[in-house]
Amino acid sequence: NAGVTQTPKFRILKIGQSMTLQCTQDMNHNYMYWYRQDPGMGLKLIYYSVGAGITDKGEVPNGYNVSRSTTEDFPLRLELAAPSQTSVYFCASSPLVGAWFFGPGTRLTVL
Amino acid sequence: AQSVTQLDSHVSVSEGTPVLLRCNYSSSYSPSLFWYVQHPNKGLQLLLKYTSAATLVKGINGFEAEFKKSETSFHLTKPSAHMSDAAEYFCVVSRSYNTDKLIFGTGTRLQVFP
Repeated sequence: NAGVTQTPKFRILKIGQSMTLQCTQDMNHNYMYWYRQDPGMGLKLIYYSVGAGITDKGEVPNGYNVSRSTTEDFPLRLELAAPSQTSVYFCASSPLVGAWFFGPGTRLTVL
Repeated sequence: AQSVTQLDSHVSVSEGTPVLLRCNYSSSYSPSLFWYVQHPNKGLQLLLKYTSAATLVKGINGFEAEFKKSETSFHLTKPSAHMSDAAEYFCVVSRSYNTDKLIFGTGTRLQVFP
């Protein structure tokens, strides 16, 4: 099993550009999450999904969109990048009950 | 509502000495509690978890944590620090027996000196 994979690992965007952060898990987990980690802070939840076709907002959803067309994939979309979105983004998945599995992260810089 | 407070932003120890990373939680429900470790430029790795079974939880790499309901604490300990333990540690709470959202503490950076 590859676990949770994220692409790209690094990205630099200009203000106003858009991009999609990819996340895939091969553990057949129903639940998937997107978090952002700002310097010196814990992770904050952006969006989460409890299954294919179902998504919901987390603590800091503004400026982001998600979709969940399959169990495996949970992409995060930034439509109009802003400097405040400079962060490290982590995708995670979990089974119905149990521990969360995190991807290696995507480091995004918006200039 | 749930929250978690990590009482120290930085902890420094000498190699071979004990490690104590402190965490207090607040939860309206019976909580699940976790400790995650993050090495520089790496993702998060689960160290251990408490889900209302034994109150003393043993994790990987010699770490353990004790759930104390009366003190609402879940401190992480290790008898003897190793250089490779230097990392950021996160205490995390969620609702028990329900895959709910994780609430992260702000992290404790552990430094280990030779």
